[in-house]
Amino acid sequence: NAGVTQTPKFRILKIGQSMTLQCAQDMNHNYMYWYRQDPGMGLKLIYYSVGAGITDKGEVPNGYNVSRSTTEDFPLRLELAAPSQTSVYFCASSTQQGNYGYTFGSGTRLTVV
Amino acid sequence: GDSVTQMEGPVTLSEEAFLTINCTYTATGYPSLFWYVQYPGEGLQLLLKATKADDKGSNKGFEATYRKETTSFHLEKGSVQVSDSAVYFCALRSNFGNEKLTFGTGTRLTIIP
Repeated sequence: NAGVTQTPKFRILKIGQSMTLQCAQDMNHNYMYWYRQDPGMGLKLIYYSVGAGITDKGEVPNGYNVSRSTTEDFPLRLELAAPSQTSVYFCASSTQQGNYGYTFGSGTRLTVV
Repeated sequence: GDSVTQMEGPVTLSEEAFLTINCTYTATGYPSLFWYVQYPGEGLQLLLKATKADDKGSNKGFEATYRKETTSFHLEKGSVQVSDSAVYFCALRSNFGNEKLTFGTGTRLTIIP
């Protein structure tokens, strides 16, 4: 069982370029999340979704967009990349039960130059 | 709102030393509590959890007890190894309709041989 799969693992973007970070889960989880982790820092929530067709902003949504057309996939779109978006991006999924934690992907390391 | 306060790091210990990483929380209701571990270059992995007061979570020699009276969930290990070097995150998830985990800021642990 794959769990949460993120692609690509690494990417270098030039300022102003756009890209989509892919995230897929095969656990039939309704809830999915995108976080960013800056060097030496904790996690900041970008966007989350509680089911197909439903998304909501987290703490740091500016510069990002998401969509959730299926239960399995939750892509994160970066428009007009900026150096401040250099970070490691983690996708996670969960059931809606409070006693269930998150399953995380292995991350995408993005550098904007 | 919900919050998690973790012992500030970094923490450096010698191999076979006793480890404690403090974690306290503020939450409405009766949250579930989690410890996640992040090894260098990897995503977060669930280390252990406890879902009600006085529960003890344990895994890989690590333990943490859910203390409702002191609102704490301290992580302990009797004899650390070099392979335990990682960043440790304490987190909570409310059982009252809040679908998101609230994370602490993380504690970087380095074990020297």
